[in-house]
Amino acid sequence: EAGVVQSPRYKIIEKKQPVAFWCNPISGHNTLYWYRQNLGQGPELLIRYENEEAVDDSQLPKDRFSAERLKGVDSTLKIQPAELGDSAVYLCASSLGSTATEAFFGQGTRLTVV
Amino acid sequence: AQKVTQAQTEISVVEKEDVTLDCVYETRDTTYYLFWYKQPPSGELVFLIRRNSFDEQNEISGRYSWNFQKSTSSFNFTITASQVVDSAVYFCALSGGNTGFQKLVFGTGTRLLVSP
Repeated sequence: EAGVVQSPRYKIIEKKQPVAFWCNPISGHNTLYWYRQNLGQGPELLIRYENEEAVDDSQLPKDRFSAERLKGVDSTLKIQPAELGDSAVYLCASSLGSTATEAFFGQGTRLTVV
Repeated sequence: AQKVTQAQTEISVVEKEDVTLDCVYETRDTTYYLFWYKQPPSGELVFLIRRNSFDEQNEISGRYSWNFQKSTSSFNFTITASQVVDSAVYFCALSGGNTGFQKLVFGTGTRLLVSP
């Protein structure tokens, strides 16, 4: 069974440019999470989807970040415009139920803003 | 509030040594889960173990063992006879009942370097 797939693996952009990350969760997993991992830190939740609905986006900086999960499967996380402080690893995870206790993580997208 | 503390930033050992990674947590939830994840250089978080707050039995899986003590709010992880392939960053995490177990709160991680 395929795991959580993320692309791209690496992205380098100049500040003020837009960037988007894509996540394909494990087939059948209803819940999808985006986490951000700053250098030397643990991941922190940005947004959680149950099917198409964003049920927890309290940690998402809504002035520049947006996310969508059309049809309740794939998801895209966008930053526009990017700032130097957005440099981090963006991790996607999915779980079958609505709890995080069975979450599986992708390999992440490492973003560098220069 | 929930918090996970991993005081050890980096540990270096020589192959075959035993190593213990410490994790201390804070939560007001009476029901919660604790986790350990491994993050190799490839980047993904690999699930190692999950324990619930009602099960304080220690667990052993091959070279890995976990010591859960509610009295000290600790969930420590020991690797016996470490190997070079164990080199990675290890994260302890907590998920609490008050949030419906709907998110993981991670510690800052411990980088383990195992040299030949």
